[in-house]
Amino acid sequence: GAVVSQHPSRVICKSGTSVKIECRSLDFQATTMFWYRQFPKQSLMLMATSNEGSKATYEQGVEKDKFLINHASLTLSTLTVTSAHPEDSSFYICSASRRDGTYQPQHFGDGTRLSIL
Amino acid sequence: GNSVTQMEGPVTLSEEAFLTINCTYTATGYPSLFWYVQYPGEGLQLLLKATKADDKGSNKGFEATYRKETTSFHLEKGSVQVSDSAVYFCALNSNTGNQFYFGTGTSLTVIP
Repeated sequence: GAVVSQHPSRVICKSGTSVKIECRSLDFQATTMFWYRQFPKQSLMLMATSNEGSKATYEQGVEKDKFLINHASLTLSTLTVTSAHPEDSSFYICSASRRDGTYQPQHFGDGTRLSIL
Repeated sequence: GNSVTQMEGPVTLSEEAFLTINCTYTATGYPSLFWYVQYPGEGLQLLLKATKADDKGSNKGFEATYRKETTSFHLEKGSVQVSDSAVYFCALNSNTGNQFYFGTGTSLTVIP
C-alpha cells in the first residue's frame, strides 16, 4: 500500500533553532501534501497545503514566514519551523494525496514530535 | 461550513464489549466521510470510508454507515480487542476541495 515517510520522528532543540521536517511519499507521486499540527489531546489542525512546484497555501492564522514549506518534487515536501520557540512545541503530521486528481484518501506520515526547550 | 463533532472520550471497555463512537457532521454539498485510527506515537491510518449516503464502510470488524438524514457516521464494532486501543478520528472531505476536517478524536482503551 501507499506509504508516507516522515523524518525525523522526534526533535528536541533549544529555543531559536530552526527545524526541518521532511515528508516523503515512498511509492506514489503526490502533487499535494498537507501539513497538520496536533496539540495534546486535540484534533489535527490543517496548517497549509503544499503543491508541487508552487507556493504553499496557508490556513488563516498560520504564519508563513514562521513555517516555511517547500514542495520541490512529486515525492518530497519539507516544513521548516524557523527560530522555534517553546510555543511551537507540538506534534506535526504530514499527509499526501495521489496524483490521480482525487484527494482521497490521504495517507499520513507517523508524525514528528517537536519539543523546544 | 464544514465541521465534525465527535463523541468525547476517553472510552474504556472490557475486551469483547460492543463499541460505538458517535460522529455527526455539517457540510456543504455531498461530503465523503472517514474514520482514521492513531496508535500511540504514530500517525493516522485510514480505517474505513464512505463516499455517499447509505454507504457502509467496514474494515477489521469496524463498521460505519453514512446517514444523510441524521448527518451521522457512527463507528461500531461488535467485539473489541486490547489491540484496538487507540485514538479514533472522524473526518470529512467536502469533495469541493482538498481539505479534510477532523473531529477532536476519541481515545479508546480496551482492558483484558
